[in-house]
Amino acid sequence: QQPVQSPQAVILREGEDAVINCSSSKALYSVHWYRQKHGEAPVFLMILLKGGEQKGHDKISASFNEKKQQSSLYLTASQLSYSGTYFCGTENGGANNLFFGTGTRLTVIP
Amino acid sequence: EAGVAQSPRYKIIEKRQSVAFWCNPISGHATLYWYQQILGQGPKLLIQFQNNGVVDDSQLPKDRFSAERLKGVDSTLKIQPAKLEDSAVYLCASSLSAGGLGGRLNIQYFGAGTRLSVL
Repeated sequence: QQPVQSPQAVILREGEDAVINCSSSKALYSVHWYRQKHGEAPVFLMILLKGGEQKGHDKISASFNEKKQQSSLYLTASQLSYSGTYFCGTENGGANNLFFGTGTRLTVIP
Repeated sequence: EAGVAQSPRYKIIEKRQSVAFWCNPISGHATLYWYQQILGQGPKLLIQFQNNGVVDDSQLPKDRFSAERLKGVDSTLKIQPAKLEDSAVYLCASSLSAGGLGGRLNIQYFGAGTRLSVL
């Protein structure tokens, strides 16, 4: 039930945009996005609930397509502080737990 | 508001030794999770508690791993005996969710983790 993320890694220059995708084989109730910097704990970014919601957080936004069982995270005008590994966590229903994706390592260079 | 507290931050042991990790969740959070994160991978759920009870321990290697949640608050995770492949970061997280589809209640807050090296 682990969702699959793509790409596995991406390198950006400051100011460039990126898209990270999360795909599940199971029907989704919600998708959570987290960012983890090296040696630190994952930090919650945003949650998308069933309903095709799109949310934004500063220059980071996300979309959720229930029919395709997919979510995408959009990072615009990237900053050095965006560097880290991004994980999606999917809630499939039933037990109140999340299945975390394989992760996408994002590196922003000057 | 205090976050999720974990200790120790680092532990180095030899194989076949035992080790214990401690977690104190955010006050009022009903659900507590223990994850194993191997380098380069996403967190893998080991065990999930809801208050005092175990909700999911299907991926916990029960021949060597054990966990308990004391009085529905603090929790300890133990490994005995440790194997080389147990080298990982052990993360504790908590959420408000008390069962069922949590949505926003299921947002998990993580502790800093314990980095375990088994030699």
